[in-house]
Amino acid sequence: DVKVTQSSRYLVKRTGEKVFLECVQDMDHENMFWYRQDPGLGLRLIYFSYDVKMKEKGDIPEGYSVSREKKERFSLILESASTNQTSMYLCASSFVEGLTEAFFGQGTRLTVV
Amino acid sequence: AQSVAQPEDQVNVAEGNPLTVKCTYSVSGNPYLFWYVQYPNRGLQFLLKYITGDNLVKGSYGFEAEFNKSQTSFHLKKPSALVSDSALYFCAVSRPGNSNSGYALNFGKGTSLLVTP
Repeated sequence: DVKVTQSSRYLVKRTGEKVFLECVQDMDHENMFWYRQDPGLGLRLIYFSYDVKMKEKGDIPEGYSVSREKKERFSLILESASTNQTSMYLCASSFVEGLTEAFFGQGTRLTVV
Repeated sequence: AQSVAQPEDQVNVAEGNPLTVKCTYSVSGNPYLFWYVQYPNRGLQFLLKYITGDNLVKGSYGFEAEFNKSQTSFHLKKPSALVSDSALYFCAVSRPGNSNSGYALNFGKGTSLLVTP
């Protein structure tokens, strides 16, 4: 089975902290994604990466950055956490071409206080 | 821009009845469409996809979806609903990256399905 593993299920951080969310996949997928899920807004794409060290902004990249130093690992960084970044964060991975489905991690519920 | 819309926030259906969760799309070019399900406190699970070919696509857990090009729709269906089908359902469309390398998915806002005994 494909596994996409996010390092934490729940996180509580203080305003202004630098926050790292880690995601690892074991299927040699080229694509990796970070989405944010909020009630009534669905999933919104923050960043995605189609190769090591390659990244592309999604629809809501402000306040976030990403790092992909190895193919299996994709990190989301909140440079200075704010309360409006309280949300569920979902990582996913897929093969690079657009015909295959993405596999999702279990999600990290981040609360910024 | 590639987008999908789910016009219903919630769908209620009695167990044993057929269910439909609606999705419409707006794309340039050929649409690559997906359905995902999310159970409480879980990540998303893939149900089915339409790439090309037959307009009726069969997927996991007895679900199917009908692609209708003239109505730009991709509705999710199941002939007989189960209480365990109660979950959040997302329609999605493939979107290419700006550099034409890789792709991501654009999701609808989700539809909450409640199946009552």
